[in-house]
Amino acid sequence: ETGVTQSPTHLIKTRGQQVTLRCSSQSGHNTVSWYQQALGQGPQFIFQYYREEENGRGNFPPRFSGLQFPNYSSELNVNALELDDSALYLCASSLIQGGEQYFGPGTRLTVT
Amino acid sequence: GQQLNQSPQSMFIQEGEDVSMNCTSSSIFNTWLWYKQDPGEGPVLLIALYKAGELTSNGRLTAQFGITRKDSFLNISASIPSDVGIYFCAGRVSGGGADGLTFGKGTHLIIQP
Repeated sequence: ETGVTQSPTHLIKTRGQQVTLRCSSQSGHNTVSWYQQALGQGPQFIFQYYREEENGRGNFPPRFSGLQFPNYSSELNVNALELDDSALYLCASSLIQGGEQYFGPGTRLTVT
Repeated sequence: GQQLNQSPQSMFIQEGEDVSMNCTSSSIFNTWLWYKQDPGEGPVLLIALYKAGELTSNGRLTAQFGITRKDSFLNISASIPSDVGIYFCAGRVSGGGADGLTFGKGTHLIIQP
């Protein structure tokens, strides 16, 4: 059984640019959540997708958006990048909505 | 954003010692979870607690869901070198709407030779 995978592993962007991060959920998992983890902090909830729709959102501005596809994989898009967006972005999938969340290895984003 | 109060921030212990860490919140949670994160990896789920007062073990790990539903603790017995890492508590208010986890800042466990 394949776990949660994320791509790319890391990337560097310039302030003002846009970025797309990708996540493949664990086999059979239909719910995907995204988190931002700044250095030295715990993960912060961005939003969750279930059945291709946003199912809940944390305290993040609209320039953070996402998609979920019919195969349950997901994308996180961030527009107008700011320096503070530099962080590890984690994707987690769960078998059912409200089920336990299993994390991928993350994408390290650096904004210069 | 909100984060849970997790303590201690870091622990320096000898191999074989027992470890205890805890997490408190001003809000009630319906589920408490404990994760471990190694460098360059995502958090790995260790224990999930679903009921106030519940005490659950996973090998050398034991965790409890506080009666007030505002706290939880994790104990590790007879620590070994592979226990090194950052431990996070997380709470969830299930039912309707966002199912996001609220995390603590982590306890960094360091084992001295």
